[in-house]
Amino acid sequence: GEDVEQSLFLSVREGDSSVINCTYTDSSSTYLYWYKQEPGAGLQLLTYIFSNMDMKQDQRLTVLLNKKDKHLSLRIADTQTGDSAIYFCAEKIPGGSYIPTFGRGTSLIVHP
Amino acid sequence: DTEVTQTPKHLVMGMTNKKSLKCEQHMGHRAMYWYKQKAKKPPELMFVYSYEKLSINESVPSRFSPECPNSSLLNLHLHALQPEDSALYLCASSQGPTGDNEQFFGPGTRLTVL
Repeated sequence: GEDVEQSLFLSVREGDSSVINCTYTDSSSTYLYWYKQEPGAGLQLLTYIFSNMDMKQDQRLTVLLNKKDKHLSLRIADTQTGDSAIYFCAEKIPGGSYIPTFGRGTSLIVHP
Repeated sequence: DTEVTQTPKHLVMGMTNKKSLKCEQHMGHRAMYWYKQKAKKPPELMFVYSYEKLSINESVPSRFSPECPNSSLLNLHLHALQPEDSALYLCASSQGPTGDNEQFFGPGTRLTVL
């Protein structure tokens, strides 16, 4: 995970927006992903963005990509207590097998 | 059927035991993966099977032995483990081993080695 950096914790109030940030180092990354992991569960792919896109919106989720700064963010609108989980950013570089490089994960805590 | 199942959900074993973890998918995926995840850490890749053949072994100790009996099943045989091997073991599968194929993860087996 050392090529993909994330802050470890984020705490928000229910109903507010959450923004989880990620930086990556490999400028040749083709896909960037956000995974969600609830306690005791496996990883669920939430959304992904191609490297030639700046933004992708999917219901309450908005992904922003700044290729110049190698910065990726995930915004969750109207955050709910059910959104409490660990969120992993991951990148895939071209070629080879589908083996994403994961960040260390951001633990999102949503307070009622 | 769009899920990856893993059994058992929890496993406690001694250092001299032999046990196996099982993973199954019926999505017709031809690539399957084992990951190890310690608490508060990202998953670490252990093995990749592509078309039922081992294609990647990330220098995993021989006390972990993977097996892919057919395209739907993936096992991880455990023998003489150490307490530091305690972790969540995640299985994943994808349509193929290359390109942009999404990985589907199972819920994991929580392993405790005493």
